[in-house]
Amino acid sequence: AQTVTQSQPEMSVQEAETVTLSCTYDTSESDYYLFWYKQPPSRQMILVIRQEAYKQQNATENRFSVNFQKAAKSFSLKISDSQLGDAAMYFCAYRLNTGTASKLTFGTGTRLQVTL
Amino acid sequence: EAGVTQFPSHSVIEKGQTVTLRCDPISGHDNLYWYRRVMGKEIKFLLHFVKESKQDESGMPNNRFLAERTGGTYSTLKVQPAELEDSGVYFCASSHFPGLGSPEQYFGPGTRLTVT
Repeated sequence: AQTVTQSQPEMSVQEAETVTLSCTYDTSESDYYLFWYKQPPSRQMILVIRQEAYKQQNATENRFSVNFQKAAKSFSLKISDSQLGDAAMYFCAYRLNTGTASKLTFGTGTRLQVTL
Repeated sequence: EAGVTQFPSHSVIEKGQTVTLRCDPISGHDNLYWYRRVMGKEIKFLLHFVKESKQDESGMPNNRFLAERTGGTYSTLKVQPAELEDSGVYFCASSHFPGLGSPEQYFGPGTRLTVT
């Protein structure tokens, strides 16, 4: 069974600084997706960034980028120039690519606090 | 495009009572998922519908949980009778059929269920 581990329950970053959230996963499969989702307080969970396992290039979305290390089964999220609006719960998730839609496996989440 | 909606946003019931949660997916999304997050733990998969059929119900904890998706549109998740350990946040998500757009799942705001 696939598992996702987020070892940092809480993180804090100053506004305009950079922070990295860690995620490791365990799978015996080679074709899968990895995601970072963000859930702001009392708001809907939204996708931050997605990585296809077959792609060597790390995904980037504006201030958000990932460090995908397939051999090490590591998928960290880097947030640059942190903003107050980045404060949220961040979930790392894994999804096997079966060619059909399938479930997500989540980590326990990292609560990110952004301070002035 | 309207997002995934869930009703109610909060529900407080006594042990032994019945509660029904509702999810309206994004229009045109064949795939509908239910997840649950118990306090401080990971978000766990419950089940997956493709249209009106249950594709994967491996995450359903026991037979006190009944999910339906009549007509392949909205879905309901009934808990009967509710137990204390059923407390948590129940998320619904939807996605396109594979091959049509992103593999992303779009989440609703969740229903916070408290069983006392």
